[in-house]
Amino acid sequence: KAGVTQTPRYLIKTRGQQVTLSCSPISGHRSVSWYQQTPGQGLQFLFEYFSETQRNKGNFPGRFSGRQFSNSRSEMNVSTLELGDSALYLCASSQQGAEETQYFGPGTRLLVL
Amino acid sequence: GENVEQHPSTLSVQEGDSAVIKCTYSDSASNYFPWYKQELGKRPQLIIDIRSNVGEKKDQRIAVTLNKTAKHFSLHITETQPEDSAVYFCAASMSNYQLIWGAGTKLIIKP
Repeated sequence: KAGVTQTPRYLIKTRGQQVTLSCSPISGHRSVSWYQQTPGQGLQFLFEYFSETQRNKGNFPGRFSGRQFSNSRSEMNVSTLELGDSALYLCASSQQGAEETQYFGPGTRLLVL
Repeated sequence: GENVEQHPSTLSVQEGDSAVIKCTYSDSASNYFPWYKQELGKRPQLIIDIRSNVGEKKDQRIAVTLNKTAKHFSLHITETQPEDSAVYFCAASMSNYQLIWGAGTKLIIKP
């Protein structure tokens, strides 16, 4: 099976712009979670989608949003970018959710200038 | 809210020695406790996990122990090798299908 893929891998934006990141889970996986990781920091949970519904949400401002399509592919959007949004954004997929192996994608590295 | 505390944040051990990383969780309903390893520049990968009906699990040089009464679980790595150098994350499942993650431990193996 193909692994989790994320596009684009690298992105440079300027403050105030918006960005959309994409995550394609492993075939058959219905749960997709998104994380923000900054240098030296842990995995900050953004949100989790399951069967096109947001099931959980972390403590991020409303500028961060996401969605999941019927084929389980997921997108996250960040509007009105700030310098502090520069980070590695990781998505992870699993068949059902938390109580099983999470398979991470390679991440999208976002730089906001 | 629910949380997972992980200690230490950095651990430096001599090659060949053992390393122990500890996590404490708050949700008594947590049933699943995975450990992930993230090497520099790479994605996190599961190395071992344990469920609440088991007290200990081993996989070669890696073991995890769980104490449900005290709500803590630990990762043990024996005979450490240079390739064990990485950041290790613990996590605990919650009843709302969410994983709560520890802050991570940077393990340094000294030659």
